Amino acid sequence: EPEVTQTPSHQVTQMGQEVILRCVPISNHLYFYWYRQILGQKVEFLVSFYNNEISEKSEIFDDQFSVERPDGSNFTLKIRSTKLEDSAMYFCASREHFGSGTRLTVV
Amino acid sequence: QKEVEQNSGPLSVPEGAIASLNCTYSDRVSQSFFWYRQYSGKSPELIMSIYSNGDKEDGRFTAQLNKASQYVSLLIRDSQPSDSATYLCAVFATGYSSASKIIFGSGTRLSIRP
Repeated sequence: EPEVTQTPSHQVTQMGQEVILRCVPISNHLYFYWYRQILGQKVEFLVSFYNNEISEKSEIFDDQFSVERPDGSNFTLKIRSTKLEDSAMYFCASREHFGSGTRLTVV
Repeated sequence: QKEVEQNSGPLSVPEGAIASLNCTYSDRVSQSFFWYRQYSGKSPELIMSIYSNGDKEDGRFTAQLNKASQYVSLLIRDSQPSDSATYLCAVFATGYSSASKIIFGSGTRLSIRP
């Protein structure tokens, strides 16, 4: 069964540094998403991506966030200058199918 | 504002019994409904999807949808200790002024006691 692949599984970064989280969605899907889940809290929508552009973003997805699909397969989430409160699990989704997530720890 | 509401629990059910999980949603244009199971520290795992009114069965799981009441439920028959997890109700909606996205409830923590 096709699956969504995310790398890395765990990323530790210093506050103020840039991080790039990577995802390989299911190949014939058109809608891709990034979600975030802070420890003990609900899964929160960040951004949806359709036809190689952002179709919707939440209030959380401010100017420090960006998404790209640089080569037609990888789908990346960049956080430009990380803050402590960015520590969370970040999930990529291809329609309703979720990847295994990246645990981001900002220290 | 589209909302998905769930009782946070914990819901404690004896092993072998039926666990019943409920969810309501506020957006009338919602089209698809999902139940995910999430173990602590893991990603949401899709276990059921339902698109039309009525019941949908898959093994020990039955999803029920009532669009008129904006209500979706999940029944787990013959509950096993491995069913202990947080169950997330999710709604896929296409808004008139927004793109399609999945909106999650806060989840119900289910505990199966031996």
